[in-house]
Amino acid sequence: KQEVTQIPAALSVPEGENLVLNCSFTDSAIYNLQWFRQDPGKGLTSLLLIQSSQREQTSGRLNASLDKSSGRSTLYIAASQPGDSATYLCAVDPSGNDYKLSFGAGTTVTVRA
Amino acid sequence: NAGVTQTPKFQVLKTGQSMTLQCAQDMNHNSMYWYRQDPGMGLRLIYYSASEGTTDKGEVPNGYNVSRLNKREFSLRLESAAPSQTSVYFCASSELALNQPQHFGDGTRLSIL
Repeated sequence: KQEVTQIPAALSVPEGENLVLNCSFTDSAIYNLQWFRQDPGKGLTSLLLIQSSQREQTSGRLNASLDKSSGRSTLYIAASQPGDSATYLCAVDPSGNDYKLSFGAGTTVTVRA
Repeated sequence: NAGVTQTPKFQVLKTGQSMTLQCAQDMNHNSMYWYRQDPGMGLRLIYYSASEGTTDKGEVPNGYNVSRLNKREFSLRLESAAPSQTSVYFCASSELALNQPQHFGDGTRLSIL
């Protein structure tokens, strides 16, 4: 059974600092890995999707890397802002069709002004 | 844009009561999902519907039933609520194609006393 772990569970940084969020998974047979953002009281918003053949994906200040062989993904957020405060979750997909996503519990980020 | 709409947003039930959670999406997506989110845990899939007319069990289906009413609507029913079903329930939808991110509603917060 796929286990997805996100450490630390919570993180607090001053504004302007770069954020590094970690995601590890036990089974390297994945089709893609997805990063989501969740604001308090809201649903998840997809940030980035990395296919298993890719090493990284970028969107604005966000960059996600994937190392399948070591079972790790990292989400980098450059020059953090208070608006980046949220919970970030990763999920791995073994088949590409979303039916068996395994989610981590998330890292809750606070960016201090 | 409405996206994925869930009703109700909050509900308190007594043990043994029944309840139907409603979900509707306006993105013409084929696939729809029901998840539950508990503190300290990742989202867990309860049921999903790959396309109109089909439903399948996810990781934690016991105590729940679903109905894919049409392409837009996917409901989740608790026939006899138990305190262990206290959770936040999320509905999501996605295109029926590889590597498509899911779009989430804002959740239903359900407490069972």
